[in-house]
Amino acid sequence: QLQLQESGPGLVKASETLSLTCTVSGGSISSSTYYWGWIRQPPGKGLEWIGSIYYSGSTYYNSSLKSRVTISVDTSKNQFSLKLSSVTAADTAVYYCARHSPPNDIIGTGSWFDPWGQGTLVTVSS
Amino acid sequence: QSALTQPASVSGSPGQSITISCTGTSSDVGGYNYVSWYQQHPGKAPKLMIYDVSKRPSGVSNRFSGSKSGNTASLTISGLQAEDEADYYCSSYTSNTLGVFGGGTKLTVL
Repeated sequence: QLQLQESGPGLVKASETLSLTCTVSGGSISSSTYYWGWIRQPPGKGLEWIGSIYYSGSTYYNSSLKSRVTISVDTSKNQFSLKLSSVTAADTAVYYCARHSPPNDIIGTGSWFDPWGQGTLVTVSS
Repeated sequence: QSALTQPASVSGSPGQSITISCTGTSSDVGGYNYVSWYQQHPGKAPKLMIYDVSKRPSGVSNRFSGSKSGNTASLTISGLQAEDEADYYCSSYTSNTLGVFGGGTKLTVL
């Protein structure tokens, strides 16, 4: 059974860089079928897709965050990571990692997230 | 890009059916059959309930169903149960990004 687990600091100072890692177990991150994504949820608010990565290193980012986001993958450790630079209080959120099924027009499926990690709260302090 | 539009809240009594709408545009919901729905209980991670508009993952109750008409997708829960009380989010592929979510709908079981 595939499981994902986020890890990283729970407190980041404003203007610094938020760094999180997602460890995948029960399956290979090198699957040719799936991407691996990051989604966040500010306290009491809705979900926001941050970006996704393919095992080859190809990345796809939310345009609203693209200038500050870097997602990378380490296939040897079965992990992928998120870096978000120049954080402000608005970046305080629960950050989730998830397996991302990308759109595939040939077989007519795509762009859903399953399973998800349990999430980790990152608070940006001033 | 703007989030998809969902009602803030819906409610229903046990045994009843409810429907949650998710309205987008021809660039997202209306343009692709790539709508998914997630259930989120307080303090928990979202759970995939419906994908590709109307498909159910293994293990999800057949009381949950999805559909789409034009730019609006819908999630219907039949035979409402207390355990269905949660927040529900829709998501869609869009023409210029891999995913956008709705604002979420709080379902209250009366």
